[in-house]
Amino acid sequence: TQLLEQSPQFLSIQEGENLTVYCNSSSVFSSLQWYRQEPGEGPVLLVTVVTGGEVKKLKRLTFQFGDARKDSSLHITAAQPGDTGLYLCAGPIKLSFGAGTTVTVRA
Amino acid sequence: SQTIHQWPATLVQPVGSPLSLECTVEGTSNPNLYWYRQAAGRGLQLLFYSVGIGQISSEVPQNLSASRPQDRQFILSSKKLLLSDSGFYLCAGPQGGINTGELFFGEGSRLTVL
Repeated sequence: TQLLEQSPQFLSIQEGENLTVYCNSSSVFSSLQWYRQEPGEGPVLLVTVVTGGEVKKLKRLTFQFGDARKDSSLHITAAQPGDTGLYLCAGPIKLSFGAGTTVTVRA
Repeated sequence: SQTIHQWPATLVQPVGSPLSLECTVEGTSNPNLYWYRQAAGRGLQLLFYSVGIGQISSEVPQNLSASRPQDRQFILSSKKLLLSDSGFYLCAGPQGGINTGELFFGEGSRLTVL
């Protein structure tokens, strides 16, 4: 099983600030996915990164896949309260998930 | 469009009682289906996955079982619940109806064992 470590575990910031969360592994991934989950709901797919060094943007969210395809980051610019949630990364082998980063954006 | 329905949404059961959680998928055929369990605010633990009718792979040995009696139906069961079975159970299928590894989740079933 490929282990995915996410950091930090919790992140609380003020509206308008930027934040970055990380997903790391000692294994190489053919692809990696990011999901966002709100309390009491199922996770929703945000993006899949496939190519080493790839950068994908989704409005204020920027996703980067490491050159060696062992790590990924999610950067949110000018965070809003609607960005609050649990951010999960997942790998394709047995669809393993990291433990997640709980992001709270205070108004 | 693709939908995944889970039933019931919330369940409170005593220790030692049986369990049946149902997952029904619409908008796709022959999907790979998955059962995950999530502890409060944490990551997802894969419990079972199925690539077709009657085909079940178990990832974590425990007192839970799964069945796939129909192409679009995936059931999670237990004969005798333990306190440690409490959690948020999520059924997932392929995003966009295509088995690429990207997942689409149901609304979840929250189980509390007392």
